[in-house]
Amino acid sequence: DTAVSQTPKYLVTQMGNDKSIKCEQNLGHDTMYWYKQDSKKFLKIMFSYNNKELIINETVPNRFSPKSPDKAHLNLHINSLELGDSAVYFCASSQGSLAGRPNEQYFGPGTRLTVT
Amino acid sequence: QQQVKQSPQSLIVQKGGISIINCAYENTAFDYFPWYQQFPGKGPALLIAIRPDVSEKKEGRFTISFNKSAKQFSLHIMDSQPGDSATYFCAASFYNTDKLIFGTGTRLQVFP
Repeated sequence: DTAVSQTPKYLVTQMGNDKSIKCEQNLGHDTMYWYKQDSKKFLKIMFSYNNKELIINETVPNRFSPKSPDKAHLNLHINSLELGDSAVYFCASSQGSLAGRPNEQYFGPGTRLTVT
Repeated sequence: QQQVKQSPQSLIVQKGGISIINCAYENTAFDYFPWYQQFPGKGPALLIAIRPDVSEKKEGRFTISFNKSAKQFSLHIMDSQPGDSATYFCAASFYNTDKLIFGTGTRLQVFP
């Protein structure tokens, strides 16, 4: 069973389009995250949600909007895609530090977004 | 203050050798330091983690050494194997928050 899954794995689209990436975790975790990994492999957090509530909202263009319909799902919608949005986007989940546990994050396989 | 500096950027080691990757941090309030391993085309996976109340943690061939006064920590991979070839990321966070600050990554190649 896949712990953290993302769809699609690859996404190729043109500038200006709107696209969504979906994430689901079956670990029973309360906290979910979106990360962006650029071409130099640098990993940067974008958002985190704890039990459907936005906790972390880094300096990300407001074209990026996360949505958490329930604590097992966290989707990422991107409007008006730009060339610079090309990257690998990772979803992750954890039990959450609010539970007093270490922040052990489990990552999905990633979605490679290519904007042409 | 929120940065984690990682070195080297890339590392080539022969099979059986020791791989050492170093990280340094600035914020003394960080109190959780994990290492992640990422294979090509996969997501990062938690490898081993340490808290500042211990100076060393070992799990199999992987050891974290932690120097609180120097604000540095390192990953040692003993008896490195070709299967260890991957990108390794150190990270730091505050124990009671969800935000992980990642280092820039080290690409390790182990040759037979």
